[in-house]
Amino acid sequence: IAGITQAPTSQILAAGRRMTLRCTQDMRHNAMYWYRQDLGLGLRLIHYSNTAGTTGKGEVPDGYSVSRANTDDFPLTLASAVPSQTSVYFCASSDSSRGPQHFGDGTRLSIL
Amino acid sequence: SQQGEEDPQALSIQEGENATMNCSYKTSINNLQWYRQNSGRGLVHLILIRSNEREKHSGRLRVTLDTSKKSSSLLITASRAADTASYFCATNSGAGSYQLTFGKGTKLSVIP
Repeated sequence: IAGITQAPTSQILAAGRRMTLRCTQDMRHNAMYWYRQDLGLGLRLIHYSNTAGTTGKGEVPDGYSVSRANTDDFPLTLASAVPSQTSVYFCASSDSSRGPQHFGDGTRLSIL
Repeated sequence: SQQGEEDPQALSIQEGENATMNCSYKTSINNLQWYRQNSGRGLVHLILIRSNEREKHSGRLRVTLDTSKKSSSLLITASRAADTASYFCATNSGAGSYQLTFGKGTKLSVIP
């Protein structure tokens, strides 16, 4: 089934630990995105990639890094997790700069 | 910062009634998109309206856009219990911009 796959679906993590959230798409979309969703704040863009080999910072990039080695994969890394990074993380992709975005079902991350 | 702001924050209606949700934004846009999010799932794209369009239909959905007022509305006609979800507007701004800026959403409950 075509779409976005995120892993893990949920995780509890101790503060200070390193964590990588995985995102894979099979739609050959050029652009990919990472958002966090917090209650009362909606979705906020963390990082994005317009095409393989390039990345950019979104609204809330601090504490996160991304890489885009190929078209399909766009991992998000928390180098040293902090409790304020507790959130639901969504990966998305789109095939054009202004078109609809397709979302995964999210990773629910709790930092203790 | 949030570009779009949905109104109301929550809406409860009886099955068969129409539901109207509004979105206001702050800066000029290329297009405005509406998404639905069922509980525990990722966002699903519903409809995209370009800045030079005033109205668009898709099934039971009707979207209007008033760029002079920087506002949009989403009308769901003959609502069903399955329409229960959160609805988000998102704006794409700037030439070549890949980014969407999401509002905080309207939580719609359709009572059978």
